[in-house]
Amino acid sequence: QKEVEQNSGPLSVPEGAIASLNCTYSDRVSQSFFWYRQYSGKSPELIMSIYSNGDKEDGRFTAQLNKASQYVSLLIRDSQPSDSATYLCAVNGLGTGGFKTIFGAGTRLFVKA
Amino acid sequence: ETGVTQTPRHLVMGMTNKKSLKCEQHLGHNAMYWYKQSAKKPLELMFVYNFKEQTENNSVPSRFSPECPNSSHLFLHLHTLQPEDSALYLCASSQDRPAAQETQYFGPGTRLLVL
Repeated sequence: QKEVEQNSGPLSVPEGAIASLNCTYSDRVSQSFFWYRQYSGKSPELIMSIYSNGDKEDGRFTAQLNKASQYVSLLIRDSQPSDSATYLCAVNGLGTGGFKTIFGAGTRLFVKA
Repeated sequence: ETGVTQTPRHLVMGMTNKKSLKCEQHLGHNAMYWYKQSAKKPLELMFVYNFKEQTENNSVPSRFSPECPNSSHLFLHLHTLQPEDSALYLCASSQDRPAAQETQYFGPGTRLLVL
């Protein structure tokens, strides 16, 4: 069973700090990776996608991918209370029936004002 | 504002009822998905449609019956559900069928409670 693992949290950080969210995956042939943000009672919203090893920056967000170690992380700089949400890691990989997206259960982030 | 809409947003039904969830996407996408999200569990893929054709049925019980009349609309027909089916049901769409870099966009979801 292909899996995507995340620490459920909650991860609590003070306002202005860096929040670091981690995700590991079990399928070595996974090809693309996504971070979604989900506010309570709302639907997941895409924040970042990353396809190759290294860092990808977009504003206050940086996604980091290490395929050899099978982990992907999301850094949020200058965390704001509005960043408080559940962050879902998603992994696309090729299975027997074609490509599938596997989601982690999410990490709850709480940014204290 | 998401280009994927879902109705109703909330639904309470008894185990003997029949109801339908509706999803509509305004993004010109060709693939649509149904997911189930239960508390503290990962999103569970239920069905995938590509150009109106079902390409994935993830071992979903027959009390859930999907319908995709065209690339913009997706329905989930519900009958004789169980209390454990209570969850948030999310619809998503993507430009094309699931692929390496295909990104899915989600609707707001239908919060379902089965009594």
